[in-house]
Amino acid sequence: GAVVSQHPSWVICKSGTSVKIECRSLDFQATTMFWYRQFPKQSLMLMATSNEGSKATYEQGVEKDKFLINHASLTLSTLTVTSAHPEDSSFYICSASITGRGYTFGSGTRLTVV
Amino acid sequence: DQQVKQNSPSLSVQEGRISILNCDYTNSMFDYFLWYKKYPAEGPTFLISISSIKDKNEDGRFTVFLNKSAKHLSLHIVPSQPGDSAVYFCAASAGSGGSNYKLTFGKGTLLTVNP
Repeated sequence: GAVVSQHPSWVICKSGTSVKIECRSLDFQATTMFWYRQFPKQSLMLMATSNEGSKATYEQGVEKDKFLINHASLTLSTLTVTSAHPEDSSFYICSASITGRGYTFGSGTRLTVV
Repeated sequence: DQQVKQNSPSLSVQEGRISILNCDYTNSMFDYFLWYKKYPAEGPTFLISISSIKDKNEDGRFTVFLNKSAKHLSLHIVPSQPGDSAVYFCAASAGSGGSNYKLTFGKGTLLTVNP
């Protein structure tokens, strides 16, 4: 149980376009989801925390207008990278929290902006 | 400012021996610690956790030790197996294990277990 499905697993897009990444909790309801970014050989850096039905809370230095997060239901959160640039190329991972059971991570999305 | 530090980027051990992965933290508000295992291009998989009210937690081959005075924790894997080869991340939270609190991760340690 407690599976988080994230897709796409990889995407290549042209500079200036937008990319949407979805994260779904398959067998539980996730009131809180976290979005992380990982650059090569670096730690997972928290970008934002999203709660169902409310605006996401962004970490310092993360542009909320560039990384749009929507958590419209208890089973779906989306991250949209708007007007992507090569420096946005990274590995993006979502995580859902389960009360009393901790955190479950998605399988990640490798974004390459060309 | 790196609040969770894993100072060894890599570790290599022989199959059957003990693997010891270390983690240091600076934020005294952290009271819940987790270890994750990660393969390339995959999300982290939870291994084991420990609350600050304990100094040891054991689950099968995995044991986590916490030294609060030194702000140090370690993950022991014994015996190590080739399938344990992966990147191991230490993470910390200030929410007493409550899962709505964000995690702060270290940079990870690449463990290689040689047959």
